[in-house]
Amino acid sequence: DVKVTQSSRYLVKRTGEKVFLECVQDMDHENMFWYRQDPGLGLRLIYFSYDVKMKEKGDIPEGYSVSREKKERFSLILESASTNQTSMYLCASSSTPATNEQYFGPGTRLTVT
Amino acid sequence: GIQVEQSPPDLILQEGANSTLRCNFSDSVNNLQWFHQNPWGQLINLFYIPSGTKQNGRLSATTVATERYSLLYISSSQTTDSGVYFCAVSRSSGAGSYQLTFGKGTKLSVIP
Repeated sequence: DVKVTQSSRYLVKRTGEKVFLECVQDMDHENMFWYRQDPGLGLRLIYFSYDVKMKEKGDIPEGYSVSREKKERFSLILESASTNQTSMYLCASSSTPATNEQYFGPGTRLTVT
Repeated sequence: GIQVEQSPPDLILQEGANSTLRCNFSDSVNNLQWFHQNPWGQLINLFYIPSGTKQNGRLSATTVATERYSLLYISSSQTTDSGVYFCAVSRSSGAGSYQLTFGKGTKLSVIP
């Protein structure tokens, strides 16, 4: 079974803090993704990575950056957290773009106060 | 970009009833997935089904790629089936082919 894990289920941070969300997959997948989910807006892609050290912007990259130093690990960074980044963050991975079957982690509920 | 529409938006069922959820999409896809989001927020993979029919226990799915729709069938529903069901697709090629586009979901409530 594919396993995608995220570093925290719940996180509370203060405005202006630097926040790191970590995601690890154990299936040697090439592609990794970060989404956020908000009521009424659905799931939206923030960034994805198709190889180590490679990244592409998704629909809503503003205010975020990412890091992929190793194949199995993909980090989402909020450089200076703001209250409008309070959300559910979901990480996913997939093996090849040909099929792009994505597997999701359990999610991190981030609250910025 | 590709559009994904799910219907109905909300569904209330008596335990034991059957249901059909629909997903329409606007372009050719190489991936179509059905997910169940549990009360804790995790997206559970139900089916990877860009075309054809698959079955897994009480759940089955059919995708007719030429007509750009997919159906998820739930038979003999149980209270544990409650939650939100999402359809998500990605394009066959070109810009955004990595990206999954999600529908808004169908919120299912199964009552005892």
